[in-house]
Amino acid sequence: DVKVTQSSRYLVKRTGEKVFLECVQDMDHENMFWYRQDPGLGLRLIYFSYDVKMKEKGDIPEGYSVSREKKERFSLILESASTNQTSMYLCASRRSHRGWADTQYFGPGTRLTVL
Amino acid sequence: QKEVEQNSGPLSVPEGAIASLNCTYSDRVSQSFFWYRQYSGKSPELIMSIYSNGDKEDGRFTAQLNKASQYVSLLIRDSQPSDSATYLCAVNKDNQGGKLIFGQGTELSVKP
Repeated sequence: DVKVTQSSRYLVKRTGEKVFLECVQDMDHENMFWYRQDPGLGLRLIYFSYDVKMKEKGDIPEGYSVSREKKERFSLILESASTNQTSMYLCASRRSHRGWADTQYFGPGTRLTVL
Repeated sequence: QKEVEQNSGPLSVPEGAIASLNCTYSDRVSQSFFWYRQYSGKSPELIMSIYSNGDKEDGRFTAQLNKASQYVSLLIRDSQPSDSATYLCAVNKDNQGGKLIFGQGTELSVKP
């Protein structure tokens, strides 16, 4: 079974803090993704990566950056947290960006509150 | 027009009935289609994937795909209260770097 883990289930930070959200997958997947999910807005893609050190902007990259130094780990960074970044953050992974039939697997999510 | 559209619901059905969830997509090059279930406060989990026109059955779940009409649906037979969740439709396009396009989700409520 694919396992995607996220570093925290709940996180509370203050405005202006630098925040790191970590995601690890154990199935040697090439593709990794960061989403945020808010009521009424659905899943919105922040950034994704299809290989080590590669990153692509998603639909809402402003205020975020990412790092993928190792294949199994994809980090989301909030450079200076703001209250409008309070949200549920979901990490996902997928075997390959070339595999059109590949499934995307989600981690448990991190509920971030910025005060 | 959104790339993937679902009725937001809530869709309410009595226990034991068939729940029908619908999804339309705009891009004809879409190749693979996925249904995820998401319980409140939890992350999405895959229920079904479908790639060819027709029906695909797995237990109480049946996915239906009609590429000509750009339509994919999920039927849940003998609905149970434990099926109450939000159901997300997702579509893969080959030229998108592996990312899926998600619909907004349909909230299903199964009443005992």
